[in-house]
Amino acid sequence: TQTVSQSDAHVTVFEGDSVELRCNYSYGGSIYLSWYIQHHGHGLQFLLKYYSGNPVVQGVNGFEAEFSKSDSSFHLRKASVHWSDSAVYFCAVDTNTGKLTFGDGTVLTVKP
Amino acid sequence: DPKIIQKPKYLVAVTGSEKILICEQYLGHNAMYWYRQSAKKPLEFMFSYSYQKLMDNQTASSRFQPQSSKKNHLDLQITALKPDDSATYFCASSQGTTSQNTLYFGAGTRLSVL
Repeated sequence: TQTVSQSDAHVTVFEGDSVELRCNYSYGGSIYLSWYIQHHGHGLQFLLKYYSGNPVVQGVNGFEAEFSKSDSSFHLRKASVHWSDSAVYFCAVDTNTGKLTFGDGTVLTVKP
Repeated sequence: DPKIIQKPKYLVAVTGSEKILICEQYLGHNAMYWYRQSAKKPLEFMFSYSYQKLMDNQTASSRFQPQSSKKNHLDLQITALKPDDSATYFCASSQGTTSQNTLYFGAGTRLSVL
């Protein structure tokens, strides 16, 4: 069974700051790793996905994530956040079943 | 325009009643899913359908029954509702059920059971 851990329930930064949202997973085999964003009152929107190749994956709106097998991590980063990036961010793993297992989510608040 | 339509957006029900959550997708996808997001648990997988056939069911209770009348429809019937069923139910779709495919989510139906 795979698990996903997002250690920070809440992260607050100021507009223009960089941010890193952490995700760690546990699974012994090959997995797909994804990040989704959920704005208040809306469904989840896909940001990016990793399976193999370059461990740094570029996503939409300037987001990127880096896979580390040694750390079992897939942290999400953005160099300069905007107030509209305030949302809940979910990390998810998929063991090639098409079924996503989500973390608890991290609430990102961007202050002006 | 939203490509995955869930109706209604909000739903209030009494304990013991039955409700149907509607989901239609206009992305031309072959696979559809239901996920549940409750206050006490992370977003969790419920069902997956491919070409209108059940592929995976992770819902322990038979009170939850997906219904697929058309390829782009996957409704969720919930019977004998309980307060613990209160959650936001998200419909999703993808081109196929393999992991290479990206999931697209609807806006959700927020169900409150009194």
